[in-house]
Amino acid sequence: SAVISQKPSRDICQRGTSLTIQCQVDSQVTMMFWYRQQPGQSLTLIATANQGSEATYESGFVIDKFPISRPNLTFSTLTVSNMSPEDSSIYLCSVGGRAGDVHEQYFGPGTRLTVT
Amino acid sequence: RKEVEQDPGPFNVPEGATVAFNCTYSNSASQSFFWYRQDCRKEPKLLMSVYSSGNEDGRFTAQLNRASQYISLLIRDSKLSDSATYLCVVNKGGGSEKLVFGKGTKLTVNP
Repeated sequence: SAVISQKPSRDICQRGTSLTIQCQVDSQVTMMFWYRQQPGQSLTLIATANQGSEATYESGFVIDKFPISRPNLTFSTLTVSNMSPEDSSIYLCSVGGRAGDVHEQYFGPGTRLTVT
Repeated sequence: RKEVEQDPGPFNVPEGATVAFNCTYSNSASQSFFWYRQDCRKEPKLLMSVYSSGNEDGRFTAQLNRASQYISLLIRDSKLSDSATYLCVVNKGGGSEKLVFGKGTKLTVNP
């Protein structure tokens, strides 16, 4: 499976500011995704990062709050804009891989965000 | 009804025990099924995909019942290193690559 890195690994930010999280993969991948894991909760899909076009957002998530870039097949960024304490969460990127007919996903190490 | 529901746990078992996790999903169109494990403060890692015929990987056995929309994971001869949260995951339907995660069941294996 691909090696996935994220930067920063953690950050503490003030409300009203924005943070951009980077996700780098060591090989070209078609599918990249961004998730959020709030404290004590499971993962929720934010959006699919599409190379060369706008990201596809899930219900409850909007581009103005979570702009995403995908300039090539190995890199994506997620920005958390105008942060509030409710945005404190772990943000994870994942990449899609294929095992036969099954589409598996592999996750980066995550970015732990605390908003004060 | 939640898209993916799991045993709430937590499970505390002694080393060597057999433990079973259950999961139900609501979308009958889902076609891909997985178990992930997540260690504390770490990212989820794919444990195994779940196939219709059931599959086994060492001490781990996964089964799928499409009619009942039910998935299970059995861990035999549990080890201390099996302590983690186990996440039941299904795709959003059809050939969708989007995944829906259950809330997870925490397992602690005690010496």
